[in-house]
Amino acid sequence: GAVVSQHPSWVICKSGTSVKIECRSLDFQATTMFWYRQFPKQSLMLMATSNEGSKATYEQGVEKDKFLINHASLTLSTLTVTSAHPEDSSFYICSARVANQFFGPGTRLTVL
Amino acid sequence: KQEVTQIPAALSVPEGENLVLNCSFTDSAIYNLQWFRQDPGKGLTSLLLIQSSQREQTSGRLNASLDKSSGRSTLYIAASQPGDSATYLCAVSQGGSEKLVFGKGTKLTVNP
Repeated sequence: GAVVSQHPSWVICKSGTSVKIECRSLDFQATTMFWYRQFPKQSLMLMATSNEGSKATYEQGVEKDKFLINHASLTLSTLTVTSAHPEDSSFYICSARVANQFFGPGTRLTVL
Repeated sequence: KQEVTQIPAALSVPEGENLVLNCSFTDSAIYNLQWFRQDPGKGLTSLLLIQSSQREQTSGRLNASLDKSSGRSTLYIAASQPGDSATYLCAVSQGGSEKLVFGKGTKLTVNP
């Protein structure tokens, strides 16, 4: 139980394009999901907290207009990286909370 | 601001050896502490969760201890196996917050 999936698992895009990453809780409902970013050899850093039916809460330094988060249902949250640039290349991981946080497998984004 | 440090950054041991991974945090007012395992390019698997009122947790060959007052935790792995090779992450959550603050991890290699 408590399985979280992400799609896609990896994506390569050109600079200036937008990329959408999906995070799904497969066998439970989650009112709260989290989005993290992990650069090579660095810690996972929380980007934002996504609450179903309301606006996401962004961490300091994370541009809300660049990283659009939508949590339209209790099983799905999406992260859209708008006008992606090479410095946005990273490993993006989501988690869904039910008692504890359960993490997805991550999405590797490479922006050329 | 909470900061989590993990030492060593990397560790290589022969199969069968017992080992200890260290985690320290700057703010002792934590709600709980978790140890995760991350395989290359993958998401996180929760190994052990210690509540702030607990001193240790055990699961199979893993034992995690917590000394909240000194801001330290250790993960003890007994009789290590090549399958234990992964990056081990320590994360703390603050009271009243769902946010997790992660260390950079310890990359463990167990050689056959």
